Amino acid sequence: GESVGLHLPTLSVQEGDNSIINCAYSNSASDYFIWYKQESGKGPQFIIDIRSNMDKRQGQRVTVLLNKTVKHLSLQIAATQPGDSAVYFCAERTGTASKLTFGTGTRLQVTL
Amino acid sequence: ETGVTQSPTHLIKTRGQQVTLRCSSQSGHNTVSWYQQALGQGPQFIFQYYREEENGRGNFPPRFSGLQFPNYSSELNVNALELDDSALYLCASSQGGYSNEKLFFGSGTQLSVL
Repeated sequence: GESVGLHLPTLSVQEGDNSIINCAYSNSASDYFIWYKQESGKGPQFIIDIRSNMDKRQGQRVTVLLNKTVKHLSLQIAATQPGDSAVYFCAERTGTASKLTFGTGTRLQVTL
Repeated sequence: ETGVTQSPTHLIKTRGQQVTLRCSSQSGHNTVSWYQQALGQGPQFIFQYYREEENGRGNFPPRFSGLQFPNYSSELNVNALELDDSALYLCASSQGGYSNEKLFFGSGTQLSVL
């Protein structure tokens, strides 16, 4: 249960505010990116993905932005809720590689 | 939406023992990937199975091995357990072999090696 994120960077936001979680990826050849949410005791949960031929994609309350020039990915969560509290990971895929490479994660804490 | 189930949820072993972890993929998914997640870190790719064959492997020694069955379920076997093998082992399923998109993860098996 306590296997995730004891010493991770932490972002603290108030309920109702917007959250922005950032991720720097490593490989300029990466063509696909995913954001996952991981709650304590659970596996990563898919949030949203984006291909490298796009720079923005929107889902329900979430937006992912991709800046290939500086190899940067961000996840924006609108009207953050207590249930959004978790560790968030970005992951990248390079070409036809069968693996995803995950970042180190950011803990999001939502305060009331 | 996950539908990926893993067993057991927790396991305690001693150094030198062998362990088998099991995973049932989400309905309609033919590809299974295994990841190791150490405390405070992101998941690390172990290997992937597609059509019952290993489809790619991360930087893990040969004592980490796997199987995929005709129903797409999978096993992860670890021989000669070491203390550093203590971690959360995650199984993820997807469609399409090399097309490693939209992986859906199970809740994992927490392995403790004493």
